[in-house]
Amino acid sequence: QQQVKQSPQSLIVQKGGISIINCAYENTAFDYFPWYQQFPGKGPALLIAIRPDVSEKKEGRFTISFNKSAKQFSLHIMDSQPGDSATYFCAASKDTGNQFYFGTGTSLTVIP
Amino acid sequence: DAGITQSPRHKVTETGTPVTLRCHQTENHRYMYWYRQDPGHGLRLIHYSYGVKDTDKGEVSDGYSVSRSKTEDFLLTLESATSSQTSVYFCAIRDLGDEAFFGQGTRLTVV
Repeated sequence: QQQVKQSPQSLIVQKGGISIINCAYENTAFDYFPWYQQFPGKGPALLIAIRPDVSEKKEGRFTISFNKSAKQFSLHIMDSQPGDSATYFCAASKDTGNQFYFGTGTSLTVIP
Repeated sequence: DAGITQSPRHKVTETGTPVTLRCHQTENHRYMYWYRQDPGHGLRLIHYSYGVKDTDKGEVSDGYSVSRSKTEDFLLTLESATSSQTSVYFCAIRDLGDEAFFGQGTRLTVV
């Protein structure tokens, strides 16, 4: 059973455009929602994270929007650049750390 | 980079043989995780540990076992490797409330 559902599977965006990736979860006990970025041949690395006490978090060109009632959260990449081309994973966990679940990933390609 | 090392980085093994992958950390983080990454499935949790000798199953634990006899080492064992276990395996470490740090991965091929 997939704990975190992610869409779309792949995304192609023009340089300068906005990339949007969506995730949904079921377990209301989750209280930490990070996004990870992965380049080929590398392990995933934290991009940005949010906790359910806020509805939005922004770091540079990257923004997480969080809807607690809908149990959904999304990543927005503004002014997308070719260097943003990577696979993005959403994740969810309990703060106790015992469980840490990932979505199926989104392959983002930014066309110059 | 967080002090986390996976070994080996690449391995080819035959069906039916036992295989052990090692994850070593120098960060003294409490939590350690083993994931496998497969196209279309993302990162799936195999097993995790919340302390020395404290481990539990994840989503896809069948055919895998783990051990953690020291804080710094978390071993993943495939008792009898099958072709369906061909994958890229990632170890991650984490402390309470903090981000998870990933190793570079181990590419395992079972032939």
